[in-house]
Amino acid sequence: DTEVTQTPKHLVMGMTNKKSLKCEQHMGHRAMYWYKQKAKKPPELMFVYSYEKLSINESVPSRFSPECPNSSLLNLHLHALQPEDSALYLCASSQEIAGGPRETQYFGPGTRLLVL
Amino acid sequence: DQQVKQNSPSLSVQEGRISILNCDYTNSMFDYFLWYKKYPAEGPTFLISISSIKDKNEDGRFTVFLNKSAKHLSLHIVPSQPGDSAVYFCAASAHGSSNTGKLIFGQGTTLQVKP
Repeated sequence: DTEVTQTPKHLVMGMTNKKSLKCEQHMGHRAMYWYKQKAKKPPELMFVYSYEKLSINESVPSRFSPECPNSSLLNLHLHALQPEDSALYLCASSQEIAGGPRETQYFGPGTRLLVL
Repeated sequence: DQQVKQNSPSLSVQEGRISILNCDYTNSMFDYFLWYKKYPAEGPTFLISISSIKDKNEDGRFTVFLNKSAKHLSLHIVPSQPGDSAVYFCAASAHGSSNTGKLIFGQGTTLQVKP
């Protein structure tokens, strides 16, 4: 089973709203990732968690706040977003950050976010 | 600086024929390469990977070839099926470098398989 689930599937929010995206995996993976993807572009890495600790922050604006409550869950808290933040937000997981096959990332279906 | 390049934005192939998608890279530290397939409004699906110690890996209709001296990899799909129509991304990783924990993606190639 290589399933990563994400909720909600779609989200519309105003620029003053606070919302959260959720990601879950039950593969025992210890690395989890948030990506942002615009149409016809490759995924852009935002954050990496390894063993529940933030390992990489790709200079993401503070209006995006990640959280890893436990090894199976990853949240992305959103506050005061801009219309240009509208995109598909993808979560992924891998066994660990170890190089090679153990670092193969499995992606969830994504949350389609629209900021008005 | 684009470390992973897919120079063909699109490819059209007849059903039953071979599809060949190409990918070039510049960073000699890359040691693991992956191909993902993506349908619109869905997350990328992992297809196949290859380690830098190999030059070929096969999984059913999908074969990935790696030419390290040319810094080139390719994905062969034989026979191509209409359901293969999607965007294909190649990606690379380099353990033990500033890229550890990161997948570096190419820009993607849109494959259309015509019935």
